[in-house]
Amino acid sequence: GAGVSQTPSNKVTEKGKYVELRCDPISGHTALYWYRQSLGQGPEFLIYFQGTGAADDSGLPNDRFFAVRPEGSVSTLKIQRTERGDSAVYLCASSSGLAGSGTGELFFGEGSRLTVL
Amino acid sequence: GQQVMQIPQYQHVQEGEDFTTYCNSSTTLSNIQWYKQRPGGHPVFLIQLVKSGEVKKQKRLTFQFGEAKKNSSLHITATQTTDVGTYFCAGHAASGSARQLTFGSGTQLTVLP
Repeated sequence: GAGVSQTPSNKVTEKGKYVELRCDPISGHTALYWYRQSLGQGPEFLIYFQGTGAADDSGLPNDRFFAVRPEGSVSTLKIQRTERGDSAVYLCASSSGLAGSGTGELFFGEGSRLTVL
Repeated sequence: GQQVMQIPQYQHVQEGEDFTTYCNSSTTLSNIQWYKQRPGGHPVFLIQLVKSGEVKKQKRLTFQFGEAKKNSSLHITATQTTDVGTYFCAGHAASGSARQLTFGSGTQLTVLP
């Protein structure tokens, strides 16, 4: 597609449930980022993939959060045993360059708004 | 870990007035990027600065990267209502986990017609 695609755009779930959020990056982009944004805050880094591997997962808040990118394209962010504090907009971004190389412009998707009741 | 702060958090200006937002990092940066997020939208890339002391202009927008590569600023001349949104700086640390792009908390700009 022309841009980064994220599904679902909205997800309402109950506390304790399992959630998957999907990101389809721009074709050919090797770098993929997941961020979380709460109202009035800046995007909070979660994880970064370069190809299929998680090059930096230091932003994942705890072991309930996990992300995969098995074929180096589509990525899925998985949240187990959701809590109300997980409610936020989850943003995915892709880039054609290596992080920190000076060519790392990020292209963001529209985000997936997660609400945990 | 690396922290990036922005001030002010909010700014209201009359259309035609100038606007500046400041960004400060707790660590030296290899580069800094600026993004704009319209209400209800997603962040959109504006520019990247790499060199110490670098200044770049885009029409009415002027971006600066500090000599120590720890701070940056965005200045908008003669604001227009189309400038409304939240402006974020984001930086890659010069050492350690250079893969993280850490965002500031943003400056929300309101332009009154």
